[in-house]
Amino acid sequence: AQSVAQPEDQVNVAEGNPLTVKCTYSVSGNPYLFWYVQYPNRGLQFLLKYITGDNLVKGSYGFEAEFNKSQTSFHLKKPSALVSDSALYFCAGRDAFSGGYNKLIFGAGTRLAVHP
Amino acid sequence: EAQVTQNPRYLITVTGKKLTVTCSQNMNHEYMSWYRQDPGLGLRQIYYSMNVEVTDKGDVPEGYKVSRKEKRNFPLILESPSPNQTSLYFCASSLSGGRGETQYFGPGTRLLVL
Repeated sequence: AQSVAQPEDQVNVAEGNPLTVKCTYSVSGNPYLFWYVQYPNRGLQFLLKYITGDNLVKGSYGFEAEFNKSQTSFHLKKPSALVSDSALYFCAGRDAFSGGYNKLIFGAGTRLAVHP
Repeated sequence: EAQVTQNPRYLITVTGKKLTVTCSQNMNHEYMSWYRQDPGLGLRQIYYSMNVEVTDKGDVPEGYKVSRKEKRNFPLILESPSPNQTSLYFCASSLSGGRGETQYFGPGTRLLVL
């Protein structure tokens, strides 16, 4: 069965420091991987995705993610955290070939808290 | 502005009282989907629709119904809500349902069933 795991419930970072939010996946074949962010009382906003090609994917708001096939990981990173980055982050994915059309498998979410 | 809208945003109801949560998108997307978000579980798909009159079950369809009579609308119906359906619900859409497509999410509907 396909799965996406976010091993940390919460990540705490000081403003200005680099941040990493971890994600690992288990899918058969080639994965499609996404990061979404949810601000309080808002819907999910798309940050970035990996489909194929360069393992380093750049997205919105200065975020980037690195696809690592050998470690089955897709960690979200930002060089310098802002207080406004505090939110709930979801990693999602699926394999490239099976059915279910665009159904995504979501991780449980990681709450990022950036402290001034 | 391209967007997915949901109504209502907040709803408190009682067990057994039928309710409908509306979802509408203005991007001419063919694919629409409903998810529920529960703490520690992430988002799980309830139903999806590939186009008008084409719907199918997701991972957690029990207790829900959907319809797709128009391309832009995809309402979620709870015929007889129960407390275990208390959750945060999201509607999403994408262009054609292709596996790598970005899905666009509505603002969410927080439902409490007493």
